[in-house]
Amino acid sequence: EAAVTQSPRNKVTVTGGNVTLSCRQTNSHNYMYWYRQDTGHGLRLIHYSYGAGNLQIGDVPDGYKATRTTQEDFFLLLELASPSQTSLYFCASSDRGLNQAPLFGEGTRLSVL
Amino acid sequence: QQQVRQSPQSLTVWEGETAILNCSYEDSTFDYFPWYHQFPGESPALLIAIRPVSNKKEDGRFTIFFNKREKKFSLHIADSQPGDSATYFCAASEDTGNYKYVFGAGTRLKVIA
Repeated sequence: EAAVTQSPRNKVTVTGGNVTLSCRQTNSHNYMYWYRQDTGHGLRLIHYSYGAGNLQIGDVPDGYKATRTTQEDFFLLLELASPSQTSLYFCASSDRGLNQAPLFGEGTRLSVL
Repeated sequence: QQQVRQSPQSLTVWEGETAILNCSYEDSTFDYFPWYHQFPGESPALLIAIRPVSNKKEDGRFTIFFNKREKKFSLHIADSQPGDSATYFCAASEDTGNYKYVFGAGTRLKVIA
């Protein structure tokens, strides 16, 4: 069964802290995405990747780094977390080609105090 | 920055009515338009999608109407049920080999019995 698994599910850190959010997909998909969801803004794309070692800049990349280490694994890094990064983060994956809308993980709720 | 605009922000309908959710875009390179629904505490899930070669796509009670000239598309939910109460997101992706998905801000639908 197609799956996108995120960890941790919840994270609390302090301003200036270092956070890594993890995502693994077992769908053999080429594309992986990191979105943040905030009330009034919907889902905003932070970074995405079309394969191991590749990184594409999304629409709200400031303050975030990402790395795609394998076909399956995509990490989002917040090296100096700020309260404005308190949000619900979703990872998603999709296959190459159209008619392949992204499949979302369960989400990670991050609070930066 | 590519954008997808969604309206209304919130919508309340009576059970049995047709709910109409609207989206518009500006970028002509967009070529695939999925709709997602998201129930409280869950991740977004694909509901139905359309490509502009068609101006209508149906799946049960859910229908997408697409107007390529005006760059608008809408989701119609016929015979709305209380179980349809959720947040609905439209999205768009471009057919350039760069499968970046941009989402609208969402419509919160409430169906009253």
